[in-house]
Amino acid sequence: EAGVTQFPSHSVIEKGQTVTLRCDPISGHDNLYWYRRVMGKEIKFLLHFVKESKQDESGMPNNRFLAERTGGTYSTLKVQPAELEDSGVYFCASSQKGFAGELFFGEGSRLTVL
Amino acid sequence: AQSVAQPEDQVNVAEGNPLTVKCTYSVSGNPYLFWYVQYPNRGLQFLLKYITGDNLVKGSYGFEAEFNKSQTSFHLKKPSALVSDSALYFCAVRERTGGFKTIFGAGTRLFVKA
Repeated sequence: EAGVTQFPSHSVIEKGQTVTLRCDPISGHDNLYWYRRVMGKEIKFLLHFVKESKQDESGMPNNRFLAERTGGTYSTLKVQPAELEDSGVYFCASSQKGFAGELFFGEGSRLTVL
Repeated sequence: AQSVAQPEDQVNVAEGNPLTVKCTYSVSGNPYLFWYVQYPNRGLQFLLKYITGDNLVKGSYGFEAEFNKSQTSFHLKKPSALVSDSALYFCAVRERTGGFKTIFGAGTRLFVKA
């Protein structure tokens, strides 16, 4: 069974440019999450999809971030325009139905904004 | 607000010795509690979780964790450390009501010396 896959693994962009990160969850997982970790800090929650619906987007930093999950399958996270403080590792995770399920993580997309 | 504290940035232990990685949390009610491990250039991997029942939870790779409700702690333990246990460990909590958001600590780097 394929795990959670993320693309790209590393992106280096200039301030003001746009970047789109993609996440393919484990097949059949309704729940999809985006997290971000800035160097040495905690892994911060960004948002949660249940199928194609945004269940909780309370962690999205501002309106420069846009997440979508078309058809309830893969998800994209777009940052436009990127700022220096957006640098970090963006993790995607998925889980099955139910409150007690553990998260399955992708390897992360490292974003560097210069 | 929910929060997770991992008071030690790094834990150093000799191979064969017992190890403890500390975690305390602040969340309403009785949360679900998790430990994840991250090896270099990999995503987070689930180790174990506490849902209900016995306060001592056993997980992967010989790890276990002890839930202490009065101290709101969920410390990770292993009786005999291996060099291969060296990695970054994250504690996480999720409320039983109100959604699926999982909150992570900042992580503790475990270094096991041969």
